[in-house]
Amino acid sequence: NAGVTQTPKFRVLKTGQSMTLLCAQDMNHEYMYWYRQDPGMGLRLIHYSVGEGTTAKGEVPDGYNVSRLKKQNFLLGLESAAPSQTSVYFCASSLRVTRVRAHNEQFFGPGTRLTVL
Amino acid sequence: GESVGLHLPTLSVQEGDNSIINCAYSNSASDYFIWYKQESGKGPQFIIDIRSNMDKRQGQRVTVLLNKTVKHLSLQIAATQPGDSAVYFCAEIDYGGSQGNLIFGKGTKLSVKP
Repeated sequence: NAGVTQTPKFRVLKTGQSMTLLCAQDMNHEYMYWYRQDPGMGLRLIHYSVGEGTTAKGEVPDGYNVSRLKKQNFLLGLESAAPSQTSVYFCASSLRVTRVRAHNEQFFGPGTRLTVL
Repeated sequence: GESVGLHLPTLSVQEGDNSIINCAYSNSASDYFIWYKQESGKGPQFIIDIRSNMDKRQGQRVTVLLNKTVKHLSLQIAATQPGDSAVYFCAEIDYGGSQGNLIFGKGTKLSVKP
């Protein structure tokens, strides 16, 4: 199993350009997440999805859109990139989070380093 | 708002010594806690977790302690090795309040001196 994969690994954009980050998981997980990580900070949740065809906002959703057309894929879009969106983006997935489940960990991809000039 | 934080942003230990990484949390309703390890240039990797009805859990060379009275979580690494050098994050879930989402702390960088 490849686990969680992300495409691309690196990208440089100019202000105003658009792009889509692709996340794929082969673990049949229901839940998927997009985070951003800035230097010296923890991970902040951008958007998440609890199932195919559903998405929800996280802590820092502004400037991003997402889609979950297939269970195994979660796409993160930047319609008009800004320098403030320079960051490392991580995708994660998990089984359905429930109180009775012994383990509710998320599995992370390797990250996408995005620079917006 | 509720947050998870860390007492020490950096920790330097000698190879072979034990390491203790601390984490304070403010949400008394949090039900579940995880420690992640993140090596340079990689995604976070699950280390160990603990439910709020436990106060200690052990894994291979790692132990997590939970003190709900003072809302404190710690990760103990026995016989620290150079491969343990990484940033360690604690994270929490409040099943009733955060839709099951993880709330991450800022991380502690562990450096192991040979």
